[in-house]
Formats: sequence, C-alpha cells, structure tokens
Amino acid sequence: AQTVTQSQPEMSVQEAETVTLSCTYDTSESDYYLFWYKQPPSRQMILVIRQEAYKQQNATENRFSVNFQKAAKSFSLKISDSQLGDAAMYFCAYRSGGSGSEKLVFGKGTKLTVNP
Amino acid sequence: NAGVMQNPRHLVRRRGQEARLRCSPMKGHSHVYWYRQLPEEGLKFMVYLQKENIIDESGMPKERFSAEFPKEGPSILRIQQVVRGDSAAYFCASSPQGSYNEQFFGPGTRLTVL
Repeated sequence: AQTVTQSQPEMSVQEAETVTLSCTYDTSESDYYLFWYKQPPSRQMILVIRQEAYKQQNATENRFSVNFQKAAKSFSLKISDSQLGDAAMYFCAYRSGGSGSEKLVFGKGTKLTVNP
Repeated sequence: NAGVMQNPRHLVRRRGQEARLRCSPMKGHSHVYWYRQLPEEGLKFMVYLQKENIIDESGMPKERFSAEFPKEGPSILRIQQVVRGDSAAYFCASSPQGSYNEQFFGPGTRLTVL
C-alpha cells in the first residue's frame, strides 16, 4: 500500500519570505499523481498544485512550486513571497494512475504559520 | 456552478443513534468520494462511488458504515449506532467522469458523538 509522510508537523515563516514543506512517499508504481492541498481554518480543502509522475518538469502555480524527485520519492512544496493568507494546514497526497484506483492517500499534514 | 455541497455542516448525535451525512456533487460530476479526518490527522479514504455503484469501499469500516449514490439525489454516508470514536470531520469530494480529473472537496460535516 502507498504511504505519504510529512515529517514537519509545524513550520513558520516570516511574511514575504520563502518556505519549503517536505513530503516523501512510498510506492512501487510508476504511474501516479501527487498533490498539495491547503486546509485553512475554514477546513475547506483547496488544491494548491499537482504533479504527474511522468512529467520531468516541476509544476508551478504562481508563488507555489514543487521539487519533484522521482527516484528519491520526494515531493516538496516551495511557497515564495509568503502571505498571511498562506497560513493553513498543508497536506501532501498521492493518487495511483491506474483506472479504478482513484482514492487519494494523504500525509498527516504540516501546519504553516506566517508571521507578520 | 455551485461547488460540492454537504449537509449538515455540524451534526451532534448521542451514542447508539444513527448519523446520515449528505453530499451533492458538482453539476456534471458522476464520481463521489468520502474521506474521514480525525483530529490532528490527514484525510483517510473511505469509499468511492459512481451513480448506483460502489467502486471501491476498501476504507470503510466493516460494520455500521454504509454509503450510497442513487440515480437521483445526493450521496449518503450512513453511520449506524454511532460511538465516540466516530467523532470526526467527514469530507465528500466529486470529480467528472474519467480517471485523471481533480477531486473537488465539499466543506465537510463535523460529527460529534456525545
């Protein structure tokens, strides 16, 4: 079974600075997808960024980018120019690429605090 | 296009009662997923349904829990004879037909068992 590990229960960053959240995963599959979700205090799950395993290029969405290291099974999230609104729980998630196996496997999350 | 709707947002039940959680997927979405989030934990997959079919229930507890997604109406997650350990946030997500689409999450239902 696939597992996702987030080794940083909490992180903090100064406003306008850069922070990197770590995620590692374990799988024997070659076709899969990786995601970062944000969960603010409202508890709504919001997709931040996704990465297809077959793509070598790291995904980028505005201030959010990933460092995808397939061989190391590592998928870290970098937030640049941090804003107060970035404060939230961040969850790394894995999904198999096979049809019929669409469930997301989540890590335990990293709580990000942004200091003004 | 309204997002995924869940109701109620908060539900309080006493031990032994039944809990019914409802999820209306986004318009045009035929795939529904239920996840449970215990305090201080990530979301755990419970069940994946398409209209009138359970596709994957590998995360569902063997007893007391059931789910359905009828041809008409919302998806229902039903918990019979609730216990304190069932207290959690239950999230529904939906996606369009096809294996490679994003799952859109609802706001969740927070179940408290007294």
